[in-house]
Amino acid sequence: NAGVTQTPKFQVLKTGQSMTLQCAQDMNHEYMSWYRQDPGMGLRLIHYSVGAGITDQGEVPNGYNVSRSTTEDFPLRLLSAAPSQTSVYFCASSLKAGEGYGYTFGSGTRLTVV
Amino acid sequence: GENVEQHPSTLSVQEGDSAVIKCTYSDSASNYFPWYKQELGKRPQLIIDIRSNVGEKKDQRIAVTLNKTAKHFSLHITETQPEDSAVYFCAASRAPGAGSYQLTFGKGTKLSVIP
Repeated sequence: NAGVTQTPKFQVLKTGQSMTLQCAQDMNHEYMSWYRQDPGMGLRLIHYSVGAGITDQGEVPNGYNVSRSTTEDFPLRLLSAAPSQTSVYFCASSLKAGEGYGYTFGSGTRLTVV
Repeated sequence: GENVEQHPSTLSVQEGDSAVIKCTYSDSASNYFPWYKQELGKRPQLIIDIRSNVGEKKDQRIAVTLNKTAKHFSLHITETQPEDSAVYFCAASRAPGAGSYQLTFGKGTKLSVIP
């Protein structure tokens, strides 16, 4: 039982490049989400999913796309990277959507856009 | 939407003293309040949570209190140890079926325990 697995751990992109951050969980969690963490800003929600085939926007969705084709996987796509997307990205999952279960976080991806 | 304010942003205490971190929330429909601890370079980890039908919950040296009328909740750490040094986040979410159910996080408190 690996929990929530994120890859890669570190990534450097040039402005305008695209990439996909991977997130997978093996706990049969219904709810999955992506947060970005910036100094002094806490954790801000980018996108979330309450089940396979269902996604929705969070607080800061611009520049990011998501899809949820399986229960296990929830990739985050950066369409055209910008320096403002330099951040640490965390994927988090929860057993049930909206029933007050705590989140399990992945280990994070540190992204630098130059 | 929900807004969670967390204070203080930094806190230094002597080893063995107590630490208190306070959060206020805006959405009266919120009823789940977890606390996360994030050590340097690590992922946030759930340390304790409380639901609105409970006023206080304890787990060894940590406790959380909730005042729904005032819309604030607090984390209390007693007999602090150097390994308690970390960033602590509070969060809030609504009850099931009450619409939006994402967790909204505070901006975090950096706790330093001085040996």
